[in-house]
Amino acid sequence: SQKIEQNSEALNIQEGKTATLTCNYTNYSPAYLQWYRQDPGRGPVFLLLIRENEKEKRKERLKVTFDTTLKQSLFHITASQPADSATYLCALDIPSGNTPLVFGKGTRLSVIA
Amino acid sequence: EAQVTQNPRYLITVTGKKLTVTCSQNMNHEYMSWYRQDPGLGLRQIYYSMNVEVTDKGDVPEGYKVSRKEKRNFPLILESPSPNQTSLYFCASSLSWQGYGGYTFGSGTRLTVV
Repeated sequence: SQKIEQNSEALNIQEGKTATLTCNYTNYSPAYLQWYRQDPGRGPVFLLLIRENEKEKRKERLKVTFDTTLKQSLFHITASQPADSATYLCALDIPSGNTPLVFGKGTRLSVIA
Repeated sequence: EAQVTQNPRYLITVTGKKLTVTCSQNMNHEYMSWYRQDPGLGLRQIYYSMNVEVTDKGDVPEGYKVSRKEKRNFPLILESPSPNQTSLYFCASSLSWQGYGGYTFGSGTRLTVV
């Protein structure tokens, strides 16, 4: 079955630096990959989607890359701020099977002022 | 405002007492889904629905029921709740099951079964 690994449970960085979060997957090659932000006790909020034929996607201070050879997506937040502190989830589709989106367990990012 | 509305936000109940968690979306989305989230286990899908009257099991369906009689509503039913169903529950919807525009999640229902 598809397995998704997000590089670490928690990541601490200094304000103003670039945060880089990793999402690795095994087995199937997804057609697209999504990133979500989740604040404690709240529902995930959709941020970005990147398709398999796209190498990079940007939205304001966010950048996502998708390397199908490495089976990896990187999620970058540039000029990070304390307000960026949250858990970030990656999710990907399965070409076959009955679970349209599979979510990773998330990485908890803390931006320290 | 486009949103997914879940009720209640918090619920404490006793073992065996049937309960329903409601979910409603106002975006005319075809696809709806229920997840539970537990520490260390991430989001796990319980049931999903591709459209009205079409539902299917996710990864952890045991002990749960759903129905999709109307496009906007997708209630989650626990016929006989047990303590291992204590969890944070999320309803989500999307224009299509592929989720190209992303999933919209509700604010969550924190359920405690004692």
